Amino acid sequence: EAQVTQNPRYLITVTGKKLTVTCSQNMNHEYMSWYRQDPGLGLRQIYYSMNVEVTDKGDVPEGYKVSRKEKRNFPLILESPSPNQTSLYFCASSSAGFSEETQYFGPGTRLLVL
Amino acid sequence: AQTVTQSQPEMSVQEAETVTLSCTYDTSESDYYLFWYKQPPSRQMILVIRQEAYKQQNATENRFSVNFQKAAKSFSLKISDSQLGDAAMYFCACTYNTDKLIFGTGTRLQVFP
Repeated sequence: EAQVTQNPRYLITVTGKKLTVTCSQNMNHEYMSWYRQDPGLGLRQIYYSMNVEVTDKGDVPEGYKVSRKEKRNFPLILESPSPNQTSLYFCASSSAGFSEETQYFGPGTRLLVL
Repeated sequence: AQTVTQSQPEMSVQEAETVTLSCTYDTSESDYYLFWYKQPPSRQMILVIRQEAYKQQNATENRFSVNFQKAAKSFSLKISDSQLGDAAMYFCACTYNTDKLIFGTGTRLQVFP
């Protein structure tokens, strides 16, 4: 089954404790991205990747890091989480950006930073 | 800056009736794509409909159709024969800089029996 998986689905952590949210897709997609969703703000793009070793900033990259060492994986790293990073996070992938087809979204990761 | 505006935070519709959700966007690009996504209580993001800006014909997907007015930068979603399962948050989105996607703030749709 074609899918995007994220782990963990729920996470409670404390300020400053490094964490990684994993994202994996099984569709051999080149394009992957991370979004955060906050009430009243919709979804905002954090980072995206056009292919292995190619990443770029979205609209709200501050406080986040990403890496793309393998085509299927695109982890989101919070080196020193802060309470303002409490949010719902989505990973998404598509074959080649938006011009070719739609994005497939993961199920979301709900993060609470205390 | 690129923006997507959904001016209706909440909408409601009676089952079997038709409802239209509004979306306007601002872009300086000539080639872009527009989307409507549905987010039910499960939080899953589900693509409803996709429109290429260079196509004049409005996209349709079963009960869902769009009214794409390029000059006015308007991209509204019409849901016909509304069903209880249509109740969700709906997000409008627009691409920019080829590789980025910007979302509106969403419209919560309630469907009453």
